Amino acid sequence: AQSVAQPEDQVNVAEGNPLTVKCTYSVSGNPYLFWYVQYPNRGLQFLLKYITGDNLVKGSYGFEAEFNKSQTSFHLKKPSALVSDSALYFCAVRDLNDYKLSFGAGTTVTVRA
Amino acid sequence: DGGITQSPKYLFRKEGQNVTLSCEQNLNHDAMYWYRQDPGQGLRLIYYSQIVNDFQKGDIAEGYSVSREKKESFPLTVTSAQKNPTAFYLCASSMRAGQGDSNTGELFFGEGSRLTVL
Repeated sequence: AQSVAQPEDQVNVAEGNPLTVKCTYSVSGNPYLFWYVQYPNRGLQFLLKYITGDNLVKGSYGFEAEFNKSQTSFHLKKPSALVSDSALYFCAVRDLNDYKLSFGAGTTVTVRA
Repeated sequence: DGGITQSPKYLFRKEGQNVTLSCEQNLNHDAMYWYRQDPGQGLRLIYYSQIVNDFQKGDIAEGYSVSREKKESFPLTVTSAQKNPTAFYLCASSMRAGQGDSNTGELFFGEGSRLTVL
């Protein structure tokens, strides 16, 4: 079985400071990892994914994520946060042999001006 | 524009009534999914379909039903048997596993339907 944990319910940062949203995963085989963002009363928007290759993945809106196989982590990062980055962020994983995605509980990011 | 359309965006229902949520996609995806979102619980899979005329139960299928008569459409019925139906419902689609060299399984989501039971 595959699963995702997002250990922080909320992350608060000041605008211009670095932003990190944590994610750890568990799969039986090689993982496909994803980050999505959700604004209030909207659907989820795809940010980035890790499939294979470089451990540092770059995505939309200046976000990037670092895959760490030994720590089974896939933390989302942004060097300089914006107020507009305030939203709910979801990490998701699928096993190579199972196309269903499993989502974490989500982390609410608040960026204060 | 290609995408997924869910309707209605807001829906109110009396207890004991069935209600059907619509999901239509024009992305030519074979696979479609229904998720339920509750505060602090993330997304939970209700039903999914890999191909027309076939679907499987997800983690929380009790009290829900679906059909997949057309590739583009995957409606969800919330029945009176669902004990706590008030939630935000999200439909998604993707390429089917093994379909295409670049298929990495990311989901494309609709804008959601918020169901409130009065």
